[in-house]
Amino acid sequence: NAGVTQTPKFQVLKTGQSMTLQCAQDMNHEYMSWYRQDPGMGLRLIHYSVGAGITDQGEVPNGYNVSRSTTEDFPLRLLSAAPSQTSVYFCASSYARESSGNTIYFGEGSWLTVV
Amino acid sequence: GNSVTQMEGPVTLSEEAFLTINCTYTATGYPSLFWYVQYPGEGLQLLLKATKADDKGSNKGFEATYRKETTSFHLEKGSVQVSDSAVYFCALTGGFKTIFGAGTRLFVKA
Repeated sequence: NAGVTQTPKFQVLKTGQSMTLQCAQDMNHEYMSWYRQDPGMGLRLIHYSVGAGITDQGEVPNGYNVSRSTTEDFPLRLLSAAPSQTSVYFCASSYARESSGNTIYFGEGSWLTVV
Repeated sequence: GNSVTQMEGPVTLSEEAFLTINCTYTATGYPSLFWYVQYPGEGLQLLLKATKADDKGSNKGFEATYRKETTSFHLEKGSVQVSDSAVYFCALTGGFKTIFGAGTRLFVKA
């Protein structure tokens, strides 16, 4: 069982570069999301999707784009990297039901440094 | 909007000590409440959950009770082990969004 797989695990970018963090899940989950984790701030929601073709913004969407062309994949794009985007990024998925008690499954994280 | 507040860490305990990590929340409606745990270098994984008021979630000796009257979901364990050293996150799901607290780092000394 692969679960949620995200790549790359580590990446160093220069300011202004663009890149895509890949995320795939094999559990047929409708709901997928991206979080960033910063010291003292917990996890903050960047973007989420409740199904193929449907995406919405979370708490901190600026500087990031997402798309959801298939149920399995949910890539996160950094358009023009900035040092403020240095963080650990987590992709997550779950069955989508509003106000549900569904467990969220996380990938192992992607450590991104922007210099 | 919804929010979660949990006690700041780090919390340092000796093995076999009693653990409490406080968590309070603000939410409209009837959210589900969770505790997730993150071990070094890994993603978060579910520790326990409760989906309605007065429910008690439990797993691996950890417990938390969904208290609607005090809007709390405090995490407890009667006797911690060195292997419990990790970061613990309180979270709630309301609508399609899950909101996390800032996390509490726990160190357990042998």
